[in-house]
Amino acid sequence: QLQLQESGPGLVKPSETLSLSCMVSGGSISSGNYYWGWIRQPPGKGLEWIGNVYNSGKTNYNPSLKSRVTISVDTSKNHFSLKLHSVTAADTAVYYCARHWIGEANFDFWGQGTLVTVSS
Amino acid sequence: QSVLTQPPSASGTPGQRVTVSCSGSSSNIGSNYVHWYQQLPGTAPKVLIQFNNQRPSGVPDRFSGSRSGTSASLAISGLRSEDEADYYCAAWDDGLSGPVFGGGTKLTVL
Repeated sequence: QLQLQESGPGLVKPSETLSLSCMVSGGSISSGNYYWGWIRQPPGKGLEWIGNVYNSGKTNYNPSLKSRVTISVDTSKNHFSLKLHSVTAADTAVYYCARHWIGEANFDFWGQGTLVTVSS
Repeated sequence: QSVLTQPPSASGTPGQRVTVSCSGSSSNIGSNYVHWYQQLPGTAPKVLIQFNNQRPSGVPDRFSGSRSGTSASLAISGLRSEDEADYYCAAWDDGLSGPVFGGGTKLTVL
């Protein structure tokens, strides 16, 4: 059974960079036609797609965040990462990593999520 | 402001049938599959319906989905207390070249 697990600091200062990693186990990040994505959910609010990466390293980003986001993949370590630069309090959210089919919005495997708070 | 539009809340009594709507446009629901997620409090979303009307293994047949034009619906029959959760629709958006979500519907079982 595929499992995803987010890791990273739970507190980030304003204007700094939020960095998270998603470790994939129970399957290879290199196999199949899947995107590996990041989604976030501010407290009490809905889901927002941040972006995704294919095993080749090709990325797609939500235009609303594109200028501040970098997503990368390390197939040798079977994990992918998120960097969100110049964060503000509005970036406080639970961040999820998840797998979805190319060209589809069916996120079939999710991490448990990690709360990141932006505060000084 | 979410790209897909859902009612913020819905409710029903045990045993009732409840529907949740999801409205989009030609660039998302109108040309791509719709997927539905259930999010129980404090947990990650779980795919409930994929590809408009397909239930993943383990999802009860009380849950069903449909799509017509640029709208979609999730139906829950035989409502149970454990169905109390937030429900999200999602679809690929050709203009965005990425997935878009509805704002979520909080289902209360009275």
